[in-house]
Amino acid sequence: AQKVTQAQTEISVVEKEDVTLDCVYETRDTTYYLFWYKQPPSGELVFLIRRNSFDEQNEISGRYSWNFQKSTSSFNFTITASQVVDSAVYFCALSENYNTDKLIFGTGTRLQVFP
Amino acid sequence: NAGVTQTPKFQVLKTGQSMTLQCAQDMNHEYMSWYRQDPGMGLRLIHYSVGAGITDQGEVPNGYNVSRSTTEDFPLRLLSAAPSQTSVYFCASSYSPGARNTEAFFGQGTRLTVV
Repeated sequence: AQKVTQAQTEISVVEKEDVTLDCVYETRDTTYYLFWYKQPPSGELVFLIRRNSFDEQNEISGRYSWNFQKSTSSFNFTITASQVVDSAVYFCALSENYNTDKLIFGTGTRLQVFP
Repeated sequence: NAGVTQTPKFQVLKTGQSMTLQCAQDMNHEYMSWYRQDPGMGLRLIHYSVGAGITDQGEVPNGYNVSRSTTEDFPLRLLSAAPSQTSVYFCASSYSPGARNTEAFFGQGTRLTVV
């Protein structure tokens, strides 16, 4: 069965600290996408990244980086030098067979960054 | 482009009332989906559609109906509202054949309270 686990319910850090959000997934498919979405206090869902199951290259975008490891079925997200504006709920999601009409979400990690 | 537009943003219903949540997208996406977000449970798929005239059930379809008569619109109908349907509802669209980007775009959400 397909499943996405975000074991960290809530994380609190002080500004400028680095923080890693964990995501572990389960799927029997060999072709899938993994996603991260951000949900700020305003409530909308903001797309951050998509990773193809055949592409294990890590990715860096500014202060954000993602570590995809198929061997451990993990797709972790690191924010370097966190800022107050990073405070949000972050969701990891899986789409099997590249079917983006059916996303399987984790339960989310609430990140609070204090000044 | 407006992206994915959901109406209304807020709604209060009495138990037993019916209503339709509207969702429209102007990106010519084939796929559209409805999710509900409940505290501690992430987003769960209610119904989805891979094209006009084609719909299917997701993880939590009971109490909801959908139809897809056009590519642009995907309304969600609550037949007889129950307090258990109090939630935030998100509509999403994704996938245009031949497009490079296949992430799901989400509407702003509808916060529904059933009393």
